[in-house]
Amino acid sequence: GENVEQHPSTLSVQEGDSAVIKCTYSDSASNYFPWYKQELGKGPQLIIDIRSNVGEKKDQRIAVTLNKTAKHFSLHITETQPEDSAVYFCAARDSGGGADGLTFGKGTHLIIQP
Amino acid sequence: ETGVTQTPRHLVMGMTNKKSLKCEQHLGHNAMYWYKQSAKKPLELMFVYSLEERVENNSVPSRFSPECPNSSHLFLHLHTLQPEDSALYLCASSQDLRGGETQYFGPGTRLLVL
Repeated sequence: GENVEQHPSTLSVQEGDSAVIKCTYSDSASNYFPWYKQELGKGPQLIIDIRSNVGEKKDQRIAVTLNKTAKHFSLHITETQPEDSAVYFCAARDSGGGADGLTFGKGTHLIIQP
Repeated sequence: ETGVTQTPRHLVMGMTNKKSLKCEQHLGHNAMYWYKQSAKKPLELMFVYSLEERVENNSVPSRFSPECPNSSHLFLHLHTLQPEDSALYLCASSQDLRGGETQYFGPGTRLLVL
């Protein structure tokens, strides 16, 4: 089955700086990679996703890059703001779909220092 | 809001109690999921339903019993739980089970087993 590793577990950055969170996956058949943000007391919410037919996707201050050869993908947040403080999860799902849900990383607690 | 609601939001129960968690999605989706979220661990997929049929049971103990009476509702019946079952239980839904379908999460039920 799929195995997703996520680093770092905690990341503290100054407001306005950039933050990068990295994930690796094991199953070369995986081709869908979402990122979720979870704020305190809430469920995870999708913030961006990427499919394996593209190498990069951007949505305002958030971007995701994918390297299928190396089996890793990264989340980039620029110009960080206090409201970016949360736990971020990467996930992977193989192209076959079927009964499997997403395989998640352990999460990164992002702290934005004022 | 994601269109997925869960009740109750918080639940405290003894090991001999029987309780049920409820999830409802207002998105017209055909697939629903139960996940368990424990501290310091990745989200763990417990059950998957597609068109009201269970398609996945990830070696979950029988003290957890899911029920999906229709495509909009999902229940998790709990009985004789253990303290280690204390966690956040998250419900999610997606359009169907095809690979790459975005999953939308509810806010979760925070369960404490005494």
